[in-house]
Amino acid sequence: DAKTTQPNSMESNEEEPVHLPCNHSTISGTDYIHWYRQLPSQGPEYVIHGLTSNVNNRMASLAIAEDRKSSTLILHRATLRDAAVYYCIPNYGGATNKLIFGTGTLLAVQP
Amino acid sequence: DTGVSQDPRHKITKRGQNVTFRCDPISEHNRLYWYRQTLGQGPEFLTYFQNEAQLEKSRLLSDRFSAERPKGSFSTLEIQRTEQGDSAMYLCASSFQRPPETQYFGPGTRLLVL
Repeated sequence: DAKTTQPNSMESNEEEPVHLPCNHSTISGTDYIHWYRQLPSQGPEYVIHGLTSNVNNRMASLAIAEDRKSSTLILHRATLRDAAVYYCIPNYGGATNKLIFGTGTLLAVQP
Repeated sequence: DTGVSQDPRHKITKRGQNVTFRCDPISEHNRLYWYRQTLGQGPEFLTYFQNEAQLEKSRLLSDRFSAERPKGSFSTLEIQRTEQGDSAMYLCASSFQRPPETQYFGPGTRLLVL
């Protein structure tokens, strides 16, 4: 399984961009990179995924390094509702595709 | 609402009692996962179904735990003879078997064993 490294916590001001980094140096060539987030007292929520190219959706952007050993989740304008734990999950757990969560990054957004 | 639902949302029980949780996945999803999350940690995989077949169980799933998914629709997770260490959030997720296979999570069932 690919090992991931994320900062334990980050802080942002409201309406400013946030860049959440993730290192996954042991990722295999076919592993998608998934990001999920978990708001307080809720189940995890899918944010975005990518394989090789940078990706954008309505929630965020995902920038993937050319060697795929790291990625960055970009929230273009943080809101108070973005305060959550963000998980970078670069691998599927074998044939079952189970998600292997680390401890994630706790994002605090200040008004 | 067509998302994943779980019932109950909260359960308080005494040590030694049995508890059962239910998960209703998104209707067209053929895969269903159970995870457990303790305070301050990320969710940990417990077990997985493809349709009605239980295809993988984690070592975390002791013999006091059993899960079923009759007819490949809803699933139940039963814990027998609960212990205080079973206190956690139990999360269910469902997905459609097609890469990248995004999983959609329910709100979870929070269990407290006294």
